[in-house]
Parts: sequence; structure tokens; C-alpha cells
Amino acid sequence: QSALTQPASVSGSPGQSITISCTGTSSDVGGYNYVSWYQQHPGKAPKLMIYDVSNRPSGVSNRFSGSKSGNTASLTISGLQAEDEGDYYCSSYTSRSTYVFGTGTKVTVL
Amino acid sequence: QVQLVESGGGVVQPGGSLRLSCAASGFTFTTYGMHWVRQAPGKGLEWVAFIRNDGSNKYYADSVKGRFTISRDNSEHTLSLQMNSLRTEDTAVYYCAKHRGSTWTLDYWGQGTLVTVSS
Repeated sequence: QSALTQPASVSGSPGQSITISCTGTSSDVGGYNYVSWYQQHPGKAPKLMIYDVSNRPSGVSNRFSGSKSGNTASLTISGLQAEDEGDYYCSSYTSRSTYVFGTGTKVTVL
Repeated sequence: QVQLVESGGGVVQPGGSLRLSCAASGFTFTTYGMHWVRQAPGKGLEWVAFIRNDGSNKYYADSVKGRFTISRDNSEHTLSLQMNSLRTEDTAVYYCAKHRGSTWTLDYWGQGTLVTVSS
């Protein structure tokens, strides 16, 4: 199972919006509404930010939103803040009843 | 609150074995599936294995199939990962994570335990 494809890095200034893409296939991202997004700060465990394409767990800021079109999912962070810096990973359920993560995107707040 | 605490990591030679454990608390362990995910130093996340709440079904990444075995003890609220025939490329921080339930996502993660495979 190949990793989902994400851009290596995305940056933005405080207050701006950024979008991270996550491209898979019809056997994972395109075939199921089971796309999740995780945030990871250095040396820390990942934290769930979005599940089922666009749902936010309790306690996650509404500045984070998710969407999907075809085989590509997206995470948008609006009103970018310094605390949003970190690595972001998408993930998806697959047709083989397994789970696959994206390659990861480093978000930098300029 | 949900707590997941991994243990059992350490240094092992190539070809060796190691058993990781994850102690779960703060939720009804018997209701939820559980995952293992790993992260090699400086690299991205890699899903390793999943076990259903009652242990009836287990799923593995191709990279560990036939070498790793996921199991659980619902009476002890413990998740395990038996790792055999270890390779240098298995060097990583190993996280246990809770399956959300009605959907495919990992909603809580432990802090991880480091496994180093080196001669």
C-alpha cells in the first residue's frame, strides 16, 4: 500500500489561510469517506484534527476544516496562528481493510 | 480521560524479537478496536496493525505481515505487539492508538515507545 501524496511543506503568514492536499486513489481516499487529518508537534504524539473528511472532534478549533473531491482530500487552516506550526498527516481506510497515512506536510508560520 | 501507555521498547539485534505492550484506561476497552502505528526517526507515520474489539479480526501492513502479531487481553485492558525477525528498517517509535468506533479513525494516541534494531 503506497502512502498518500502530500506536499512536503506549506507556509503562510499569521492570519492567512493555507490548504494541504492529500492525493490517493479510488481504493482509498476516493472510495470512502474515512479521511482523517492529524497534527504532530516535534517529539509529541499525533493529534486527531479531522475525521470522516470534514468532522472536527470536540475541542478542535473551527479554524480547521476538511473536504474531499474525487481522490484528493484537503485540509484548510484559516486564521493561521503560530501554534499551528507542525507536521500534518492525512490518512484513509483502504479497500484491503487496512489504513494508510500520507507522506506528511510541514506547516510553517512565517 | 483516555490514557494509553506503551512499554517494552529497547535495543535489539537484527533477527531478534521484542514484545510491546500498551496499557489502556479511561474508556471501555472491550468496546473499541486498537491500532499500532510507527514512525521511523525523522520520517512519517506508518500504520502497522489493527485488531477488532473482541480480537476476532486482525489486519496488518504488508511490511510486517508474517513477522508481527497484534493481540489484546480484554481482562487486563492491554494491547500487545509481538515483533519477530526484526530488521533495521523496523527501527521506529511505536504508538498504540484507539479506534474511534463507528468510523475509521484513530482518536487517541499514546506517547510511544522507541524500538531500535541494530547490531
